Amino acid sequence: SQTIHQWPATLVQPVGSPLSLECTVEGTSNPNLYWYRQAAGRGLQLLFYSVGIGQISSEVPQNLSASRPQDRQFILSSKKLLLSDSGFYLCAWSVLGTRNQPQHFGDGTRLSIL
Amino acid sequence: QKEVEQDPGPLSVPEGAIVSLNCTYSNSAFQYFMWYRQYSRKGPELLMYTYSSGNKEDGRFTAQVDKSSKYISLFIRDSQPSDSATYLCAMRILTGGGNKLTFGTGTQLKVEL
Repeated sequence: SQTIHQWPATLVQPVGSPLSLECTVEGTSNPNLYWYRQAAGRGLQLLFYSVGIGQISSEVPQNLSASRPQDRQFILSSKKLLLSDSGFYLCAWSVLGTRNQPQHFGDGTRLSIL
Repeated sequence: QKEVEQDPGPLSVPEGAIVSLNCTYSNSAFQYFMWYRQYSRKGPELLMYTYSSGNKEDGRFTAQVDKSSKYISLFIRDSQPSDSATYLCAMRILTGGGNKLTFGTGTQLKVEL
């Protein structure tokens, strides 16, 4: 069966510090991968998605970037964090190339910027 | 106007009640509909998905889609305290669009003993 792992679960960082959040998927090949941010009362906002290694689409302009160095690895990064980057970050995957493609989520990273 | 509207709640019901959770949407291109359950401090968990109008049943859960009214519902029968969570609806166009989902903001449900 497929599993998705995100770490760390919780992170507290000072303003201006760098960020690296990692997500890996097991049990499937060539998945679509997604990064979301969830803010209270605002639902899930899609930040980035990837259909393959090195292929990244950005949904909103922001202080963050994403990379996919391996087929089942997705990384969310920032060079200098802002207070507004605080939130709950979720990684998700879906099967590539099939008609019914529900997304499956990891348990997220709660990021607090001080 | 948001593409997907969902009452945030909180919705509080007694154990054993039938719960109705709803979303409305404005984009008629949405053809694929999902319901997720999210416990506190966890990621959303897929409950049900459908791409046709009508009802789909899975155990105590029934998903209903009315495309003519742009309205979807999730019914929970015999609700349990373990059903207490936030329920998110999500939808997307059927083809293309990069499999991008549009989510409602979620309805918080509390089932009380």
